[in-house]
Amino acid sequence: SQQGEEDPQALSIQEGENATMNCSYKTSINNLQWYRQNSGRGLVHLILIRSNEREKHSGRLRVTLDTSKKSSSLLITASRAADTASYFCATLATTDSWGKLQFGAGTQVVVTP
Amino acid sequence: DTEVTQTPKHLVMGMTNKKSLKCEQHMGHRAMYWYKQKAKKPPELMFVYSYEKLSINESVPSRFSPECPNSSLLNLHLHALQPEDSALYLCASSPAGLRTEAFFGQGTRLTVV
Repeated sequence: SQQGEEDPQALSIQEGENATMNCSYKTSINNLQWYRQNSGRGLVHLILIRSNEREKHSGRLRVTLDTSKKSSSLLITASRAADTASYFCATLATTDSWGKLQFGAGTQVVVTP
Repeated sequence: DTEVTQTPKHLVMGMTNKKSLKCEQHMGHRAMYWYKQKAKKPPELMFVYSYEKLSINESVPSRFSPECPNSSLLNLHLHALQPEDSALYLCASSPAGLRTEAFFGQGTRLTVV
């Protein structure tokens, strides 16, 4: 079942611009993860942020987590055409024992040259 | 080797056929997963295996039958499927119990005719 919402559902930007997408969730979490999916193929893990962390960076990616608002954001700086993909947030609940990821609805990002 | 390999990449089957999807990983992960993904939707968990034992079945119809022959292999046996079962089937693995990221295969695009 879907954990929460992501917005926007779709985002169209030009190369060099920043892309920001948001994720909300419903339960108490151990961590929140972001994944990228190109053209309906496999998901690639981008970054994991734990519930006791507020911000994390990886290359051009910046993730924030606000557990009081049950929300997270993913910022991609200086976007490239190769960043065109669908982006999903996924949470692991504090009660989880099996690695059961709950995915958000996803944001489809198109970066035009 | 950080890959999860799924075969076949594409599969077309009739409603009376029996087929199997295969998934293999050599990362020593003891948790393996099957997800189903419809177009423009997030992945939905079907099954979780932990240490070769079925731990979660998300009320999946019996026409889908998972099997974990050993710690590296995961199969999904398909029988008497319906056209609405057409989807991308994703396999994933993760270190059991560590609440870290999942590694996804490239998926099998299944079409039921």
